Amino acid sequence: QKEVEQNSGPLSVPEGAIASLNCTYSDRGSQSFFWYRQYSGKSPELIMFIYSNGDKEDGRFTAQLNKASQYVSLLIRDSQPSDSATYLCAVDSNTGKLIFGQGTTLQVKP
Amino acid sequence: EAGVAQSPRYKIIEKRQSVAFWCNPISGHATLYWYQQILGQGPKLLIQFQNNGVVDDSQLPKDRFSAERLKGVDSTLKIQPAKLEDSAVYLCASSLRVPGLLEKNTEAFFGQGTRLTVV
Repeated sequence: QKEVEQNSGPLSVPEGAIASLNCTYSDRGSQSFFWYRQYSGKSPELIMFIYSNGDKEDGRFTAQLNKASQYVSLLIRDSQPSDSATYLCAVDSNTGKLIFGQGTTLQVKP
Repeated sequence: EAGVAQSPRYKIIEKRQSVAFWCNPISGHATLYWYQQILGQGPKLLIQFQNNGVVDDSQLPKDRFSAERLKGVDSTLKIQPAKLEDSAVYLCASSLRVPGLLEKNTEAFFGQGTRLTVV
């Protein structure tokens, strides 16, 4: 079992729609959870972090965490073509390692 | 605030040659990470330092890869000898993260990476 799993996609949504990205993790003791965005040929950049169960909203982005189900998600409302990128889920494990999933490619079609 | 600096940006070498990458983290960041990102995949953690000690190097191919972080600041990652499958982007990142402590918002900041091509 991979430590952090994501559906590689691509996930294709029309402009203005809601994009839903999902991630599961194996280490039940994980403390902090991150969503990074990576444009082609660029380095990852942080979009959001979450460490408590529930929802956290920041502009068009909402992160959701369910520690009992070991599940993290990212919702992007009013998706724009500029949101087209690979979205990486990262988990700060109980042992202190920062582990990334394989990423989900999002395509927002005008 | 200066970001994470990496050099070189690009490197092309022949298989069986050696190569070294350098990383200078953000000032004051105790934790430094080296990741390998193969095209189409997520970053794979090779080694994680806390100051100049190793937190995890379980995914580092120790027969050919080595890394050090002298004085708890700059770090170098070396590959000797290189193989074709080592072609990837090598990302260095740093954070304020201190393992064992409940830290909030301990995001990792990434450098621009080094694109290695082994031919």
